Amino acid sequence: AQKITQTQPGMFVQEKEAVTLDCTYDTSDPSYGLFWYKQPSSGEMIFLIYQGSYDQQNATEGRYSLNFQKARKSANLVISASQLGDSAMYFCAMSKLKVSNYQLIWGAGTKLIIKP
Amino acid sequence: NAGVTQTPKFRILKIGQSMTLQCTQDMNHNYMYWYRQDPGMGLKLIYYSVGAGITDKGEVPNGYNVSRSTTEDFPLRLELAAPSQTSVYFCASNLGGSFTEAFFGQGTRLTVV
Repeated sequence: AQKITQTQPGMFVQEKEAVTLDCTYDTSDPSYGLFWYKQPSSGEMIFLIYQGSYDQQNATEGRYSLNFQKARKSANLVISASQLGDSAMYFCAMSKLKVSNYQLIWGAGTKLIIKP
Repeated sequence: NAGVTQTPKFRILKIGQSMTLQCTQDMNHNYMYWYRQDPGMGLKLIYYSVGAGITDKGEVPNGYNVSRSTTEDFPLRLELAAPSQTSVYFCASNLGGSFTEAFFGQGTRLTVV
């Protein structure tokens, strides 16, 4: 069954350091997408980055990059030069095909706290 | 540009009461979703819709109903509210397919007492 696993419930990182948030997934579908969302304390869900299963290169968006290792079924989010505003919950999600429609399934999230 | 708009932002219900969470999007997206997020957890899919007139159950549909009469609107109905329905509810929409991000509303924090 398709599943997303985020093994780090919480992380503390010093400001300006890089941080890697882990995400592993399980699917037998050849075509899928992987997403990372940020949820600050205010509660909204903010899209960060996307990786398609057929993409040859790792996705990057500003300070965010996705370390996609298809054989290991991992899609870790890397945040470079962390800032205090990066403190938030981070969710990994995967699109899965159900009959003829795609749905997103979600990991449990990682709470990231950036220390000044 | 409004995106996905949910109302209300907060609501307290008594056990057994009913209510409708409103969701509207102005991006002409075919796909719309309702999720619930329990404290410290990820999102669980309640219902989704792939177009006007078409809805289907997600992972946790019990106690909820939806309708999709227009592309823009996707209300979620809670009948006979129970404490187990205390949660934060998110509406989302996207173009569909595996390669499109979902756009979220601001969320509705519902407490059932």
